Amino acid sequence: NAGVTQTPKFQVLKTGQSMTLQCAQDMNHEYMSWYRQDPGMGLRLIHYSVGAGITDQGEVPNGYNVSRSTTEDFPLRLLSAAPSQTSVYFCASSYSAWTGENIQYFGAGTRLSVL
Amino acid sequence: AQSVTQLDSQVPVFEEAPVELRCNYSSSVSVYLFWYVQYPNQGLQLLLKYLSGSTLVKGINGFEAEFNKSQTSFHLRKPSVHISDTAEYFCAVSPYGGSQGNLIFGKGTKLSVKP
Repeated sequence: NAGVTQTPKFQVLKTGQSMTLQCAQDMNHEYMSWYRQDPGMGLRLIHYSVGAGITDQGEVPNGYNVSRSTTEDFPLRLLSAAPSQTSVYFCASSYSAWTGENIQYFGAGTRLSVL
Repeated sequence: AQSVTQLDSQVPVFEEAPVELRCNYSSSVSVYLFWYVQYPNQGLQLLLKYLSGSTLVKGINGFEAEFNKSQTSFHLRKPSVHISDTAEYFCAVSPYGGSQGNLIFGKGTKLSVKP
């Protein structure tokens, strides 16, 4: 049982490049989300999904796209990377978003640097 | 809307001393409350949660927290800390029942335990 798996662990991009951060969970969780963590800012929600085919924006969605074609996978796409997107990105999942109990399980993170 | 304030960004303590990490929240609806811990270069893991019932909740690694509705606080405590407790701690809230359970995080408190 791997839990929430994020790849890659580290990535360096040049301004304007695009890339996809991968997230997969093997717990059959309905709810998945992406956060970014910046020093002194805590975690801020980028996008989330309450089930396959359903996504919505969080607090800081600009510059990022997501899709949810399967229950297991929730990739995050950077269309044209900017230095302001240098951050640590965490994917999380939980059994359901609708109960509100929402005990989320986090991946180990992807450290992204945009030069 | 909800917000979370962690009153201390850094807390240095000596080993075997008690510690309290403070968290206040603001919300127009009832909320669930969580503490997550992040060890260096790792993802977040759940430390403890308050959903309902007894206002004193116990978590892993000897931590406990007390929910105070009148003061809208959820402070985390440990009577005697170890070097291994050095980590960043995040307080989070989620709206109560029936709504999408997106977590709102505080900015984090870095606990540094010195020998």
